[in-house]
Amino acid sequence: KAGVTQTPRYLIKTRGQQVTLSCSPISGHRSVSWYQQTPGQGLQFLFEYFSETQRNKGNFPGRFSGRQFSNSRSEMNVSTLELGDSALYLCASSGGTGDNEAFFGQGTRLTVV
Amino acid sequence: AQSVTQPDIHITVSEGASLELRCNYSYGATPYLFWYVQSPGQGLQLLLKYFSGDTLVQGIKGFEAEFKRSQSSFNLRKPSVHWSDAAEYFCAVASGSGGSNYKLTFGKGTLLTVNP
Repeated sequence: KAGVTQTPRYLIKTRGQQVTLSCSPISGHRSVSWYQQTPGQGLQFLFEYFSETQRNKGNFPGRFSGRQFSNSRSEMNVSTLELGDSALYLCASSGGTGDNEAFFGQGTRLTVV
Repeated sequence: AQSVTQPDIHITVSEGASLELRCNYSYGATPYLFWYVQSPGQGLQLLLKYFSGDTLVQGIKGFEAEFKRSQSSFNLRKPSVHWSDAAEYFCAVASGSGGSNYKLTFGKGTLLTVNP
């Protein structure tokens, strides 16, 4: 069974640009969550999608947005990039109901210069 | 709001020694608790989880954790550490609304170094 796949693995962007990250969950999983990991703030929850609807949202500015498609794949977009957006972005998938744990992808390392 | 505290930023142990990583949580309801491990540049791997029932839970790679409600703790233990256990360990509590349990709040992590 394939795991959670995140693409691309590495990205370098310039301040002010926008970026889109992709996450393909484990087959059959309907919930996808996104996390930002930085040395200073640690792991922080961005948002969670279930069956194409955002169910939970963390405390991030509106520049951070996401969506989920009918096949459960999810994308995360960050507009008007800032240097502080440099981070490892992790995606996690789960069954979405009941007592299910989250399985994480390898992450996308975003560097903003 | 929920929170997780991992008091130890960095722990060094010798190979073969026992290990205990501390985790304290703050959450109003019955918590769903997790321990994850992360190797450099990698994602998070689930070691074990507590949802309910037996307060001593077994995980992968010989790890176990004990849930103590009275102390709001969920400490991770391993009787004999191997060099391959060197990594960063994260404790997390799950919460959510609308039936979702997948908003994870993480501690800051404990970096484990294993000396030969």
